[in-house]
Order: sequence, then structure tokens, then C-alpha cells
Amino acid sequence: QSVLTQPPSASGTPGQRVTISCSGSSSNIGMNYVYWFQQLPGTAPILFMYKNDQRPSGVPDRFSGSKSGTSASLAISGLRSEDEADYYCAAWDDILYAWVFGGGTRLTVL
Amino acid sequence: QVQLQESGPGLVKPSETLSLTCTVSGGSITDYYWSWIRQPPGKGLEWIGYIYYTGNTNYNPSLKSRVTISVDTSKNQFSLKLNSVTAADTAIYYCTTGGATSFDPFDIWGQGTMVTVSS
Repeated sequence: QSVLTQPPSASGTPGQRVTISCSGSSSNIGMNYVYWFQQLPGTAPILFMYKNDQRPSGVPDRFSGSKSGTSASLAISGLRSEDEADYYCAAWDDILYAWVFGGGTRLTVL
Repeated sequence: QVQLQESGPGLVKPSETLSLTCTVSGGSITDYYWSWIRQPPGKGLEWIGYIYYTGNTNYNPSLKSRVTISVDTSKNQFSLKLNSVTAADTAIYYCTTGGATSFDPFDIWGQGTMVTVSS
């Protein structure tokens, strides 16, 4: 059971907008930055969004991150086939004194 | 650009100790905090712990009693030991940069190494 809660799957057709949610608590998302990782099949995860809404270089501006209270979201607009991947959210937890992850969301482009 | 490479046995017997090493190239072991993260087959990510070159460590409370992370500055390497392993420890193990604070995410990842716990 993951500390952060994500939907196990999400899907959309090319060109659509899709949002992936990440729900936590006051000790993690509520107090700290949220990070997102993208994992393509058979590869290691990569940092995809940092400090809630900052894109590392190379991440298209079709992707955006946001945080409100104890929840965060990753939005993808203009969905493309190459966006198919697993997406994980993560945050530091002040009570556990540890990093916690969501269970991951598999994004499928129909 | 820093690159990370995990190495170690791919098969460990139950109750024994899992030992992995991460070799840092393209940078110094003193430049970052370093973490281990694992991913059981078909499942999500779990942070194991971090170390700094000074030897300062912090471990996930769920694994703390079984984990030791150490650093060898002369070899530009850091290592993971997980004792009393069971099948539940079967996973891909990744070494990464970062993890010390909320401001220090896992920027750079190794390719990962699969470890199976089985007799």
C-alpha cells in the first residue's frame, strides 16, 4: 500500500488532455514539494517534474504540474503516442522522515 | 555528466545478505547525496535510504533494521547491504543521486540491477 495515492491507469486519444492525480497528506504533499517520474517500458525512471511545477530541460511544455493542499496533478495536453509510460509521484514525508511514492499510473494512448 | 552503474549478484538465497555496489563516473562521490531505490516486478518504487560522502545516512523506517549503506570515497562508490532477505526483496535495485531533503530529488538514475531472492 503506497503512502501517496494514484489511479492505476489513465488513458486518452491522441490530441486529448489527460490528468493524473496524486493524493497525500499534510505530512508529505501538504508540507513539501511534489516530484514526478516517468518510466518507459524496460527502462529506469527519469525525473519528469520537480518542485511541483518545474520541467527539467527536455520535457515538453505539453506537460504541466500543479499542487493544491494535499494533492498534486500532472497534466498532459496534446497527448501523443510517445507519452505512453508509467508515471510516479513522490514527496518527502516529515513524519516518516522518508521519501514516499505513489503506486504509479500507467498512461495508455488509445 | 554523472553516470551511475549498479553491480552485484543477481541471485541471493533467502535469509542471506544482498550486497550491491554503485560506481559513480563523470563526477565525484563528494558532489551529491546518494540513494538506493527499489522496484519489485510489476510494482511501484520504494526509497531505501541515502548516504553522503561523510558517511551520514538515513534509512526508510520500513527497512531500517536490515539495511546498511556505506561509501568508499577512494573508489568513488557507494554500497547497499540488505540482510535476512526474503522473496519480498526481489526487485530491480536502482542507485540515484539525491534524496537528502525535500529540495533534493532523484535527478540521475543508474540503469538498475535485478536481484532475485530464491533458493
